[in-house]
Amino acid sequence: DIQMTQSPSSLSASVGDRVTITCRASQAINNYLAWYQQKPGKVPKLLISAASTVHSGVPSRFSGSGSETEFTLTINSLQTEDVATYYCQKYNTAPLTFGGGTKVEIK
Amino acid sequence: EVQLVESGGGLVKPGGSLRLSCAASGFSFSNFTMNWVRQAPGKGLEWVSAISSKSYYMYYADSVKGRFTISRDNAKSSLFLQMNSLRAEDTAVYYCARGESWGQGTLVTVSS
Repeated sequence: DIQMTQSPSSLSASVGDRVTITCRASQAINNYLAWYQQKPGKVPKLLISAASTVHSGVPSRFSGSGSETEFTLTINSLQTEDVATYYCQKYNTAPLTFGGGTKVEIK
Repeated sequence: EVQLVESGGGLVKPGGSLRLSCAASGFSFSNFTMNWVRQAPGKGLEWVSAISSKSYYMYYADSVKGRFTISRDNAKSSLFLQMNSLRAEDTAVYYCARGESWGQGTLVTVSS
């Protein structure tokens, strides 16, 4: 099975910083990669699908890039409301594995 | 508005069984593959199972294969997860999910 590895597992950044989270697949998955945001105590929310398609209603400071085995989620100008854990998920074939998550905090 | 409402969670002893349900509304349920995703307390997301729109294909995580069975009733816009031989490590919030739409989850606790 394809493994999904996220890095870092946690980060602390200042408001206004640019934050980058990486997700690596152990095998190529084309662009079948989604990013989710989960705020404390809340249900996960889809941010990005197809590696770079930002979901409706998601602030424009969120963007995604990459293909095959390496993907990034970028938050331009981090805001306090972005405090959350972010997960990548492959969805080309089962199992639809999630990455381990990246916890983002404000410095 | 898309709504997914899970039910059926609760406390069960190791080795026991539980059946989760998910009632869907606001979209053409019969046209979509549906998933179960779980999250153990304080842990990350774990995909559990998926079923294709017409139930032709079912997929399972290795951790639940042979113990869990996913099914659906398109006439009733409902998704199910039959969980047998439950273990302590199955303790989690179970979410019904369709891409951008997730339910609020139902808590399953496996403990003696």
